[in-house]
Amino acid sequence: DGGITQSPKYLFRKEGQNVTLSCEQNLNHDAMYWYRQDPGQGLRLIYYSQIVNDFQKGDIAEGYSVSREKKESFPLTVTSAQKNPTAFYLCASSSGRADYNSPLHFGNGTRLTVT
Amino acid sequence: AQSVSQHNHHVILSEAASLELGCNYSYGGTVNLFWYVQYPGQHLQLLLKYFSGDPLVKGIKGFEAEFIKSKFSFNLRKPSVQWSDTAEYFCAVNAIYNNNDMRFGAGTRLTVKP
Repeated sequence: DGGITQSPKYLFRKEGQNVTLSCEQNLNHDAMYWYRQDPGQGLRLIYYSQIVNDFQKGDIAEGYSVSREKKESFPLTVTSAQKNPTAFYLCASSSGRADYNSPLHFGNGTRLTVT
Repeated sequence: AQSVSQHNHHVILSEAASLELGCNYSYGGTVNLFWYVQYPGQHLQLLLKYFSGDPLVKGIKGFEAEFIKSKFSFNLRKPSVQWSDTAEYFCAVNAIYNNNDMRFGAGTRLTVKP
């Protein structure tokens, strides 16, 4: 079955450590997105990528970094510069640039806890 | 960039009551509009979308939404809710020709009492 896989489901890290969240899709989608979901704030866009080797900052990119070396993969690194990293992170994809009508397909999320 | 406002944070209804959830966006250009739903313990899924044509769109499970361009609104409605509609609902806006980034509202939690 086609879909988006985020791993791990739960992640625990010590403050000051960088951590990378995995997102893989086999939907052959061009566009991929990272959102952060916090209670009462909905989904806030961190980074998105329309095509391989290209990505743009969203509304809350500070303290995060991404790469898009392969079409199917869009890993997110939460750096030690992110002041409040504990959150639920969602990865999504869509057909992208050529199809503005396409909805997002979401992964099941990764819950990151930093202590 | 576009922004999305959802006015109701938590709505509590009894079964068979009618539902309307508000959504407004700020962006002067052409947009695609979406409602997503997140049932307890499940991932986000598409409920319905508007991109052109009839401003009244119908989605799954009896939901519909009306796009009113002059009001920058895309309110979600259902004539008669069921207990199984208990979920969190998110409005989203895609600003066409503006990098295709998708922005979401803060969400509305709907609780339907049996």
